[in-house]
Amino acid sequence: GQQVMQIPQYQHVQEGEDFTTYCNSSTTLSNIQWYKQRPGGHPVFLIQLVKSGEVKKQKRLTFQFGEAKKNSSLHITATQTTDVGTYFCAGPNDYKLSFGAGTTVTVRA
Amino acid sequence: GAVVSQHPSWVICKSGTSVKIECRSLDFQATTMFWYRQFPKQSLMLMATSNEGSKATYEQGVEKDKFLINHASLTLSTLTVTSAHPEDSSFYICSAAGTSGKREQFFGPGTRLTVL
Repeated sequence: GQQVMQIPQYQHVQEGEDFTTYCNSSTTLSNIQWYKQRPGGHPVFLIQLVKSGEVKKQKRLTFQFGEAKKNSSLHITATQTTDVGTYFCAGPNDYKLSFGAGTTVTVRA
Repeated sequence: GAVVSQHPSWVICKSGTSVKIECRSLDFQATTMFWYRQFPKQSLMLMATSNEGSKATYEQGVEKDKFLINHASLTLSTLTVTSAHPEDSSFYICSAAGTSGKREQFFGPGTRLTVL
């Protein structure tokens, strides 16, 4: 079955630095979605990418969908303490979503 | 828009009792809702898909007789953990499928279940 993998599992970042988290699917995806879960909270939908090679920005967050539509990345610039949390990518699997294991981000001031 | 609520937010129960968790879409109609289970520092594990007016579709390995799902209306789905045991202690989260065509999911705040 479809598998969605994310790396790294943990990302410890100095405040102000940039980092990237990666998502890879075992199958071609019709779209890729990204969610953020703050500590103690629930996942919140961030964005969906549909087109091959698509790039979308949300302030300091840049999301990219690979040309083959099997991988995606999330790049955060100038990391802030508000970026703390776990970022999940998810790909449609029939009527469901297959979630990656998530990248948990911690920030040191 | 797209607000999903869950009740209760946390519950502590004795082993052997049953616990019902409600999931409501507050400002939209959700024909499809999903129930997930999340262990600490782990990803979301889909338990079942709840469809209004029909039987839920359970994922492999999830006992349908233990985790009863009822989706009686377009805004309410319930999950009942029957004869709960300590190993059922977990964070249970529901989500509702969006209606914009994007197929994104809107998550409830979750219910933390502790079985003593």
